[in-house]
Amino acid sequence: AQSVTQLDSQVPVFEEAPVELRCNYSSSVSVYLFWYVQYPNQGLQLLLKYLSGSTLVESINGFEAEFNKSQTSFHLRKPSVHISDTAEYFCAVSALRGKLIFGQGTELSVKP
Amino acid sequence: DGGITQSPKYLFRKEGQNVTLSCEQNLNHDAMYWYRQDPGQGLRLIYYSQIVNDFQKGDIAEGYSVSREKKESFPLTVTSAQKNPTAFYLCASSLGPSGGRTDTQYFGPGTRLTVL
Repeated sequence: AQSVTQLDSQVPVFEEAPVELRCNYSSSVSVYLFWYVQYPNQGLQLLLKYLSGSTLVESINGFEAEFNKSQTSFHLRKPSVHISDTAEYFCAVSALRGKLIFGQGTELSVKP
Repeated sequence: DGGITQSPKYLFRKEGQNVTLSCEQNLNHDAMYWYRQDPGQGLRLIYYSQIVNDFQKGDIAEGYSVSREKKESFPLTVTSAQKNPTAFYLCASSLGPSGGRTDTQYFGPGTRLTVL
């Protein structure tokens, strides 16, 4: 079975500071991992995904995540956040038949 | 523009009423999904369909029903049997149909359902 745990429900941070959103997973099959972002009252948008190959994956807006098999983690990082990064972030693992198992979400709040 | 549309954006229901949420996609995707989102609980899968005229229950299907008569449409009915239907409902689609675990799911903008 697959499961995802996001270790922080809320992360407040000041603008231009670094941030890390933590995600741990368990999976009994090969691992495919996703990070999605949700702005208020909107749907989810894919931020980045790990399928295979390089364990470090990057998004176009400066986020990156590293797949760590030994620690069963897929933490999301950004070296310098902006006010516009304020949103809820979801980590997800792919289950059988194309389903996604989501974590509980982390609210990132960037303060000026 | 290709994408997923959901309607209505906001929906109010009286207790005991059935309501139907619309989901349409023009991405030519085979697979479609319905999720329910509650604060602090992430997204939970209600129903999913990998091909027309076929669908399966997700983790919280009780009190919900779906149909998949057309590739582009996957409506969700919230029945009076659903005890606590107030939530944000999200529809998604992916390439499918073989249940590709590497497929990206694309989401609609959501429908917020409130029971009065």
